[in-house]
Amino acid sequence: GAGVSQSPSNKVTEKGKDVELRCDPISGHTALYWYRQSLGQGLEFLIYFQGNSAPDKSGLPSDRFSAERTGGSVSTLTIQRTQQEDSAVYLCASSSPSGGAVFNEQFFGPGTRLTVL
Amino acid sequence: AQSVTQPDIHITVSEGASLELRCNYSYGATPYLFWYVQSPGQGLQLLLKYFSGDTLVQGIKGFEAEFKRSQSSFNLRKPSVHWSDAAEYFCAVGVMEYGNKLVFGAGTILRVKS
Repeated sequence: GAGVSQSPSNKVTEKGKDVELRCDPISGHTALYWYRQSLGQGLEFLIYFQGNSAPDKSGLPSDRFSAERTGGSVSTLTIQRTQQEDSAVYLCASSSPSGGAVFNEQFFGPGTRLTVL
Repeated sequence: AQSVTQPDIHITVSEGASLELRCNYSYGATPYLFWYVQSPGQGLQLLLKYFSGDTLVQGIKGFEAEFKRSQSSFNLRKPSVHWSDAAEYFCAVGVMEYGNKLVFGAGTILRVKS
């Protein structure tokens, strides 16, 4: 079956512009995660959606970052007024519903490489 | 706070040689531990995971890892490396208290000499 898909694969933007990154999770997966991979910071958790619950936004680095998930499926990560330090690879992951006190495997998409000039 | 340390930024091994990638974690509860591999331009692929039970876990592509609670370690091993194993490897701990997020180490880049 299809895995996690992300679009665009590459995005180049100018400082100060807004960007939107899209993630399509694996069908049936209720949990969706965004991570950021950058030089010097490694892989960082950004935000987590689980079903209809309020998202865990604890990893968002500033209020310029936001994300939404429509219909419990597709998610969009928005970065407003982009800065050069936002340049990174943004990875999306999804996992199946948790059946209990078990940490479910996260399946990752190929990522979106964002370059802010 | 939860953290993962991968002390080796780069490792170079000859094809056919054995490999061990080190990982140490800091986590107060029973850890959920993972090793992921990332090839250039690709997403992360799960190699193996430890949740409980047997401390030696087998994964894909001939990899294994051993959980040692006393050393807070989860080292990845492979008895004979292939050129296609060249990639970046990430160790991670799963934190359930904060929405099942993964906390990653900095990664180890593996180079394979022919």
